[in-house]
Amino acid sequence: QKEVEQDPGPLSVPEGAIVSLNCTYSNSAFQYFMWYRQYSRKGPELLMYTYSSGNKEDGRFTAQVDKSSKYISLFIRDSQPSDSATYLCAMSDGSGANSKLTFGKGITLSVRP
Amino acid sequence: EPEVTQTPSHQVTQMGQEVILRCVPISNHLYFYWYRQILGQKVEFLVSFYNNEISEKSEIFDDQFSVERPDGSNFTLKIRSTKLEDSAMYFCARRTGENSPLHFGNGTRLTVT
Repeated sequence: QKEVEQDPGPLSVPEGAIVSLNCTYSNSAFQYFMWYRQYSRKGPELLMYTYSSGNKEDGRFTAQVDKSSKYISLFIRDSQPSDSATYLCAMSDGSGANSKLTFGKGITLSVRP
Repeated sequence: EPEVTQTPSHQVTQMGQEVILRCVPISNHLYFYWYRQILGQKVEFLVSFYNNEISEKSEIFDDQFSVERPDGSNFTLKIRSTKLEDSAMYFCARRTGENSPLHFGNGTRLTVT
């Protein structure tokens, strides 16, 4: 089983839709969870960062972590065409200098006007 | 705008040649990382660099790779003898503190012909 699995895409939704993006993981040592957004030929841009189970909200974005099920989600409310990008989940087993990130493969989202 | 500038944005080189990729953080950071992303694949960890020395490296980071921070500012990744399979996006990342998340630069696209 791969360490981090992300729902395959691509995903296309109409403007204004609620988007749900999901990742599962197998390594119970993962404690820190991130969502990155990546536009074509750009670097990953941090969207959300959390280290506990539960929900974290930032504007139209909500990150949800369920450590017991080893499952994380990113919800985007009132999606906009500018949200069209590839979304990557990432996680690590600790903080500090040696905490490398393990990424999901990414899902490409397209929001149609 | 990312807080890490990478140069060049695109590098084309012939197989067997040496390349040096550069990362210039805007402010003084202690924690640096290199990741790479082969087209269509996951973002992968290469190496972490803390307090001017390598703290962890992946299996990918073999003897062909080296990192250094020669002038206390620029952080470089050197590939001594490039192979076709080194073609990828290479991302520099930094962390402001031990518990903070990673922020990525916009990457250098390396094409080995």
